[in-house]
Parts: sequence; C-alpha cells; structure tokens
Amino acid sequence: AQKVTQAQTEISVVEKEDVTLDCVYETRDTTYYLFWYKQPPSGELVFLIRRNSFDEQNEISGRYSWNFQKSTSSFNFTITASQVVDSAVYFCALSEAWRGGGADGLTFGKGTHLIIQP
Amino acid sequence: NAGVTQTPKFQVLKTGQSMTLQCAQDMNHNSMYWYRQDPGMGLRLIYYSASEGTTDKGEVPNGYNVSRLNKREFSLRLESAAPSQTSVYFCASISQGNNEQFFGPGTRLTVL
Repeated sequence: AQKVTQAQTEISVVEKEDVTLDCVYETRDTTYYLFWYKQPPSGELVFLIRRNSFDEQNEISGRYSWNFQKSTSSFNFTITASQVVDSAVYFCALSEAWRGGGADGLTFGKGTHLIIQP
Repeated sequence: NAGVTQTPKFQVLKTGQSMTLQCAQDMNHNSMYWYRQDPGMGLRLIYYSASEGTTDKGEVPNGYNVSRLNKREFSLRLESAAPSQTSVYFCASISQGNNEQFFGPGTRLTVL
C-alpha cells in the first residue's frame, strides 16, 4: 500500500523567510510519480510539480525548489523569500505506475497549512 | 478548452435526500476520478474510471455510486445522503502521457 506523510500540520513564518515543507512517501513500486499541489483559500487545487521516480534531479522554478531523495523517500518543497500570497495549504501526492492502461488515482498527504505573516 | 468542470458548486441536502454531482472534461482523457476532501484529511479517492465503461472503488466508496456516461462525463451519486458525507468533492481527469491530474473547481456539499 502507498502512503504519503506530511508531518507538518501548520507552519507560520514571517514574510521573506525561507520555508521547507516536508513530504515522506511509501510505495512498493519502482516506478511512481510525485506531485505537489497548492490549495489557496479560494479552494481550487493548483498543480505545482510532477516528478517521476527515475528523475532525481532537483528542480527550481523561481522562488520554488524541490528536493527529491529516493534514499530517504522524501520529496521536500522549499519556498525562498516567502510572500503573503504563498499562504495556502500544500499537498504532496503519490501515483503509482500505470497498470493495464489506467491509473488508480493519487494518494495525498494530509497537507501543510502555510501561513506567511506580513 | 474548459478543462474539468463540476456542477453544482454548492449544495445543501437533508439527511436521506439523493443527488448527483456532475463532472465533465474536454481534454479527451481516458481516466477520471472522484475525491472527497475533509478537514485535516487531505483528499481521498472515492471512485475512479480508468476508461469509458469501467469503474472501480477507491479508498472510501461506501454510500456512493458512479456512472461513466461517456468519455467526457463521470457522475457521482449519493442515494441517501448522510451528515458524514458533508465534504468538498473534487473531480479529476488524467493525462496518460505525463500522469498529470487536472482537477475541477470542487463542489461543497453540506448534509443537514
């Protein structure tokens, strides 16, 4: 069975601080995908990144960066120089490989509520 | 290209009432999904449809039924709503090429 753990329920930082959101996953598959989604107060789910299990390169997109480490089964997300607009709930999710042409959905962590104070 | 659409956006039901949540996607995706989101629980998979004509149970299917009407549409039905089904419901479809899930805007359901 697959599992995603986001141990940080809530994080509060002051604007311009760097913040890292932790994600630890469990899966028996060797091929899988990892995702991060942002859910702002308006409620929609905003896709941030997808990473497959064969690509361990870290990724940077503006103020966002992701650190994927298979050795520790972690896929952590860092926001540099945080801004108030980054306040949201962030979800890490896992999808195992396609089986028979269909995918059986994402397994989500419980989310981390990030509060950026001005 | 509207992506994934859901109707209604909000709904209030009384215990025992029935209703159907509608979902449609215009991206020609084969696979579609229904999730529910409860406070502190993340999203949990209710049912999914890997392709037109097939449906499978997810993690929390009890109290729900689904219909994959055609490739575009995947509906979720509550036959006899219960207060425990108060939640936000998200529909999603997946791009088989890169395994990216596209989510609808959600339906906020309250069962009194």
